Amino acid sequence: DSGVTQTPKHLITATGQRVTLRCSPRSGDLSVYWYQQSLDQGLQFLIHYYNGEERAKGNILERFSAQQFPDLHSELNLSSLELGDSALYFCASSVDMRTYGYTFGSGTRLTVV
Amino acid sequence: AQKITQTQPGMFVQEKEAVTLDCTYDTSDQSYGLFWYKQPSSGEMIFLIYQGSYDEQNATEGRYSLNFQKARKSANLVISASQLGDSAMYFCAMREGDNQGGKLIFGQGTELSVKP
Repeated sequence: DSGVTQTPKHLITATGQRVTLRCSPRSGDLSVYWYQQSLDQGLQFLIHYYNGEERAKGNILERFSAQQFPDLHSELNLSSLELGDSALYFCASSVDMRTYGYTFGSGTRLTVV
Repeated sequence: AQKITQTQPGMFVQEKEAVTLDCTYDTSDQSYGLFWYKQPSSGEMIFLIYQGSYDEQNATEGRYSLNFQKARKSANLVISASQLGDSAMYFCAMREGDNQGGKLIFGQGTELSVKP
């Protein structure tokens, strides 16, 4: 157990639907990063939150949004889902913005049918 | 723009032999960090080793070592005495400069297969 908890582990949903992926960072970690891993795009950075504030955005689609709550857990919301959104979604946490101590969760595998 | 390149989509190695996985990077930052992660078939991302841009010594972690050649912008992973459990995808990654919030940029990965 890495200390970063992602739920659910697997999610199957239909096109056009909306889903929420949840991430609880390791205790004491203030930063949460979201990544998408797909066969064609590889591992892509989506968004970074630090202590509740958005700090950096990658190539995140407008249909996707995220937030980090006061208890530091984070949620990634994916809406109007398309087949191409099927991927493994990881979150990672770290103590601050610059440390190299990233810890990854086990990921949420999203399948859009 | 920052970029990580892994030119070996797949590699085979005999059990107990050493193997080198290649990684080159491109950045204009003076301060950066280089990482290797292992992703077994189960999907989790396992941290292996880290090298800071100002570290003069090559990083080592057990059977893993990082051959850091700054002038050539390469950060190859060396796995000594390969084991069957080393069969997995391996990703090289770079942390961008501090003003980008510390996100990681990943290479495309190398699939390593260890033969008995």
